[in-house]
Amino acid sequence: EPEVTQTPSHQVTQMGQEVILRCVPISNHLYFYWYRQILGQKVEFLVSFYNNEISEKSEIFDDQFSVERPDGSNFTLKIRSTKLEDSAMYFCASSRPGYLAKNIQYFGAGTRLSVL
Amino acid sequence: EDQVTQSPEALRLQEGESSSLNCSYTVSGLRGLFWYRQDPGKGPEFLFTLYSAGEEKEKERLKATLTKKESFLHITAPKPEDSATYLCAVQAEWGAQKLVFGQGTRLTINP
Repeated sequence: EPEVTQTPSHQVTQMGQEVILRCVPISNHLYFYWYRQILGQKVEFLVSFYNNEISEKSEIFDDQFSVERPDGSNFTLKIRSTKLEDSAMYFCASSRPGYLAKNIQYFGAGTRLSVL
Repeated sequence: EDQVTQSPEALRLQEGESSSLNCSYTVSGLRGLFWYRQDPGKGPEFLFTLYSAGEEKEKERLKATLTKKESFLHITAPKPEDSATYLCAVQAEWGAQKLVFGQGTRLTINP
């Protein structure tokens, strides 16, 4: 069964460093998303991406964040200068267009980001 | 602002003891309500999607129902492997694709 894959599973970084989180969405999906979950809190939407551009972003997704689809398979989230409060589980999700797809988003297993 | 509230926060049941989880929502116009299961350290796993009041979906021991204000996830004769956090999320009709999640119900089934 197709699945969303994320790498690495755990990333440790120093405050102020740049990190790139990587995702391979399901192959016939065209909508891509990043969510995050701070330990013990709700899953929060960060950004959605369609047709090579951001379609929606939350207040959390400020200038420190960027997303890119560098090739036909990968989808990345970059945090330019990490802060302690960026420590969280980051989930990538994807969905395919069309009425029959029913807007269902499929999630990866996540990348745990620890900022020291 | 779209909001989702789940109750209870945690629920402990004996194997075979049926119960229901609640998801109350406030949204400008509901495009869809989604139930996910999340195991510790894993991503949300899709269970059901509901689109209109009165709709019901079933999968094994789980049944999801929807009204105009809330959704219930009924679990019948649960087994220990049903232990997980169950997440409810809504997608607004006039918004984009984002899901707004509740905080989840942590379900523990004791053998």
